[in-house]
Amino acid sequence: EVQLLESGGGLVQPGGSLRVSCAASGFTFGSYAMSWVRQAPGKGLEWVSGISASGGSTYYADSVKGRFTISRDNSKNTLYVQMNSLRAEDTAVYYCVRKKGDAFHIWGQGTMVTVSS
Amino acid sequence: QSVLTQPPSLSAAPGQKVTISCSGSSSNIGKNYVSWYQQFPGTGPKLLIYENNERPSGIPDRFSGSKSGTSATLGITGLQTGDEAYYYCGTWDSSLSAWVFGGGTKLTVL
Repeated sequence: EVQLLESGGGLVQPGGSLRVSCAASGFTFGSYAMSWVRQAPGKGLEWVSGISASGGSTYYADSVKGRFTISRDNSKNTLYVQMNSLRAEDTAVYYCVRKKGDAFHIWGQGTMVTVSS
Repeated sequence: QSVLTQPPSLSAAPGQKVTISCSGSSSNIGKNYVSWYQQFPGTGPKLLIYENNERPSGIPDRFSGSKSGTSATLGITGLQTGDEAYYYCGTWDSSLSAWVFGGGTKLTVL
């Protein structure tokens, strides 16, 4: 069964850092581009960042550029996002997503990140 | 404010047909494939339609997608109470070099 399992969410103070992980199983992880998509409480979906299958290319939304870093370890079937200089507006559920072609085919269950003092 | 525009809410009766619109521009919908996602409260989204009108395996043919110019539409026929959910459109924006989503449409089946 294809599965994406996020972990690492939690409560962090403004200006702090957090690394969220996504463990992939049930498919050849290194063959797929991946992304992070977030959803603030009561709001819609917002694409955060994407990475190519090899990890050689990365993409960021303007709202997180310079603060977030996406990476992957294909030997461990794991996707990461390192989030620095966190702000209240970064509070959201963060979804790990498998991309195929021009769509997000598989979504994780999400992990909640709360930025608050 | 979202780059793609969707109606915030729609309602229809069981058995009826509904269409959800998604309006964009020449840099996003006008140039790239559109996909549609269904989300129930408290759960992650699920892909319904990709490449404008293709359904992943397991998605019933009651769900359909189309695109014309800078707009796209999701159609749902034979509405069921289980279709009550939020629906989002999404595509790549070539000018922003970013993925963009619509604000979402809450579908009520009553």
